[in-house]
Amino acid sequence: DGGITQSPKYLFRKEGQNVTLSCEQNLNHDAMYWYRQDPGQGLRLIYYSQIVNDFQKGDIAEGYSVSREKKESFPLTVTSAQKNPTAFYLCASLKQAGRAGTDTQYFGPGTRLTVL
Amino acid sequence: GQSLEQPSEVTAVEGAIVQINCTYQTSGFYGLSWYQQHDGGAPTFLSYNALDGLEETGRFSSFLSRSDSYGYLLLQELQMKDSASYFCAVRPPGTYKYIFGTGTRLKVLA
Repeated sequence: DGGITQSPKYLFRKEGQNVTLSCEQNLNHDAMYWYRQDPGQGLRLIYYSQIVNDFQKGDIAEGYSVSREKKESFPLTVTSAQKNPTAFYLCASLKQAGRAGTDTQYFGPGTRLTVL
Repeated sequence: GQSLEQPSEVTAVEGAIVQINCTYQTSGFYGLSWYQQHDGGAPTFLSYNALDGLEETGRFSSFLSRSDSYGYLLLQELQMKDSASYFCAVRPPGTYKYIFGTGTRLKVLA
């Protein structure tokens, strides 16, 4: 089955530690995304990558870093510089539309990060 | 800037019809998407309007009017399982950056 996997599902971190969240897709999509979601809130874009070896900052990139060495993988590192990292993190990939087709994002199940 | 505004919460009863609006301020986009997210889950794709007008998918329909900078999601024959958050989203031309709306929490009452 094609899809997006994220691991781990739950992650606990001590203050001052960096942590890396995994995101893998086998949908053969070029573009991938990382979002942060706080309780009762919407999706905020952290980073996105249009293609391998290229990525762009989203709206809340400070305190986060990414890499895109393979098409299938887009890991997110939450660094100690992120002041309030406790949140739900969602990874997604994009199936692009043609001129009148359907632009669709496919989401992974998410990782819930808690800083202790 | 670019923003998509939605009502924060909508409440309706089972079997009813509900409309969730999305008004936007953006210079342009490929199309308007709608996503559903149940509590604790990931968003899933519902509908997409590349062109103005109505798109129907079963109980769900979505509408777009670029001239009015407005779109909506229409849910018919509401069921309890429709209780979730709903987000509209756009991708401006020439970019892969996605912009999501503020989200609407739908509560379906028995």
